[in-house]
Amino acid sequence: EFVLTQSPGTLSLSPGERATLSCRASQSVSSSSLAWYQQRPGQAPRLLIYGASSRATGIPDRFSGSGSGTDFTLTISRLEPEDFAVYYCQQYGSSPRYSFGQGTKLEIK
Amino acid sequence: EMQLVESGGGLVKPGESLRVSCAAYGFTFRAYTMNWVRRAPGKGLEWVSSINSDSKYVFYTDSVKGRFTISRDNTKNSLFLQMNSLRAEDTALYYCARADSNVIYALDVWGQGTTVTVSS
Repeated sequence: EFVLTQSPGTLSLSPGERATLSCRASQSVSSSSLAWYQQRPGQAPRLLIYGASSRATGIPDRFSGSGSGTDFTLTISRLEPEDFAVYYCQQYGSSPRYSFGQGTKLEIK
Repeated sequence: EMQLVESGGGLVKPGESLRVSCAAYGFTFRAYTMNWVRRAPGKGLEWVSSINSDSKYVFYTDSVKGRFTISRDNTKNSLFLQMNSLRAEDTALYYCARADSNVIYALDVWGQGTTVTVSS
């Protein structure tokens, strides 16, 4: 069974700090199939990163993605107040079609 | 403006059926693969089902196979999810989402969701 594991479960930081979120796949995946989403309370998810490292339209450059194989990272260089949310990694594959990680909650310290 | 608007959620008893819908605006609906994704209370996102642009290919997560049916009407820019034999664990906020080949099939447009509650 294919599984994406995100860490940490909760990350407590202050505005202006750097955030590093991890996503580990249970087996190697194509970098092109890895995406990151942000979900704020009461809102729909928003695509941030696709193809492991490409920012989606309108996403600020403080968001960056990296990684390959089984280990991927979302970095937010300088946290803004609106960045405190839940973040999900997601892989597009054959079966299941899409898999999501369990999420990392980024909270204000 | 590209927009997806879900409707049809509600409260049903275990074993009952419900059909949720998603109306698309502001883009060429018939050109895109569409998806249903859900978020159960206190849980994370879970992909439920996908349908390609001409309805030739459909996919389901294991837990809904044989109970849920995804469909679409490209003449009405609409996506549907027929849910039968509903269980308590199907309780969730159901989102429709567009998959775009330009972003390597990531889900780039989402609706606000419709709530399905299964409870006796």
